[in-house]
Amino acid sequence: DAGVIQSPRHEVTEMGQEVTLRCKPISGHNSLFWYRQTMMRGLELLIYFNNNVPIDDSGMPEDRFSAKMPNASFSTLKIQPSEPRDSAVYFCASRFYSGTEARPQHFGDGTRLSIL
Amino acid sequence: DQQVKQNSPSLSVQEGRISILNCDYTNSMFDYFLWYKKYPAEGPTFLISISSIKDKNEDGRFTVFLNKSAKHLSLHIVPSQPGDSAVYFCAASVIIQGAQKLVFGQGTRLTINP
Repeated sequence: DAGVIQSPRHEVTEMGQEVTLRCKPISGHNSLFWYRQTMMRGLELLIYFNNNVPIDDSGMPEDRFSAKMPNASFSTLKIQPSEPRDSAVYFCASRFYSGTEARPQHFGDGTRLSIL
Repeated sequence: DQQVKQNSPSLSVQEGRISILNCDYTNSMFDYFLWYKKYPAEGPTFLISISSIKDKNEDGRFTVFLNKSAKHLSLHIVPSQPGDSAVYFCAASVIIQGAQKLVFGQGTRLTINP
């Protein structure tokens, strides 16, 4: 079975440019999560979706960050304009939640973003 | 406000011995706890979990213990193998509006020495 697929794996761009990170969750999963990992703050939740609807975006650092989930099989995280402090590894995760049983989230391999 | 803490950034254990990784939390609303393992350049991989209504869960060489009164959980790996060398993250879960929100610890780097 295919896991969570993220693209690109690596992105290097100059500050001020728009960056778009992509995620394909595991088929059948109904919750999707975007995380950011940095040395200083560790792994922190940015936003999550349930049935394609954003539930909590309180972790999004600034208005420069936005996320969408147009359908159950695709999500994007966009940074516009990008800044050097946005450099981090961004992970996408998904899970199936039935309302009764707790299940783990499954992570993609991440996008390593470097803003010069 | 760090709700989940892993106070040991690193741990070194001899192959064949027991590895014990610890995690403390502050929020009594957490209802489900997980351990993830992470290799370099890969995403975290789910390892084992425990519900807040239990105090122990075992899966092969991996056992997770939960002490709710102390707000403490631990992961035991026995016997430790070289392939267990990785960063281990403890995570705690709370359900908000039908979706699971995970709060992660900072991670512990485990090194198994042959």
